[in-house]
Amino acid sequence: QQQVKQSPQSLIVQKGGISIINCAYENTAFDYFPWYQQFPGKGPALLIAIRPDVSEKKEGRFTISFNKSAKQFSLHIMDSQPGDSATYFCAASRRNYQLIWGAGTKLIIKP
Amino acid sequence: DADVTQTPRNRITKTGKRIMLECSQTKGHDRMYWYRQDPGLGLQLIYYSFDVKDINKGEISDGYSVSRQAQAKFSLSLESAIPNQTALYFCATSDSGLGGAQETQYFGPGTRLLVL
Repeated sequence: QQQVKQSPQSLIVQKGGISIINCAYENTAFDYFPWYQQFPGKGPALLIAIRPDVSEKKEGRFTISFNKSAKQFSLHIMDSQPGDSATYFCAASRRNYQLIWGAGTKLIIKP
Repeated sequence: DADVTQTPRNRITKTGKRIMLECSQTKGHDRMYWYRQDPGLGLQLIYYSFDVKDINKGEISDGYSVSRQAQAKFSLSLESAIPNQTALYFCATSDSGLGGAQETQYFGPGTRLLVL
């Protein structure tokens, strides 16, 4: 019930393409769903986050789509660039409880 | 990352040795966390502290201990290091005082630990 399942484990996308990473959760008490981005040699950093009262949130080329009934959420990176190459983590939490992390997706954008 | 610092950045130690990883933050946050990162396993929470007097075990606390010396300092100890504790360790902080918004976690640069 506490798990967040993330897929795929790795992803290769051509420059300019759309990168899509998916996550699924079981605990319906979760009310906060962030995505973190991690570059090699660095700690993760918050990229974008969503609450279940909206179905989509967009920030620049990054969009979270949220499907409450399916208990799934996904990250879409439009016009993917080589600088987007990183590991992406989804996570979920409820207030005052720790974040539950997905296993991560290593994204490579080929020039 | 400069607001959250970790020392050392790299450490090689031998089985059975006691080691300490240190974390300091200048963000003024009350909450601090220690994570372990292994390839393909994401981030696993070791310990977390919501304030100086509140320390809680995470999902993989066995073999680890922590000390919250001050609001700005949170140390992780491996009492008797073993090879399967070889991993990348991250410290993170967050601020609870956001009036209902879930807080962002800010990560340090990590400590790469090798136990021989």
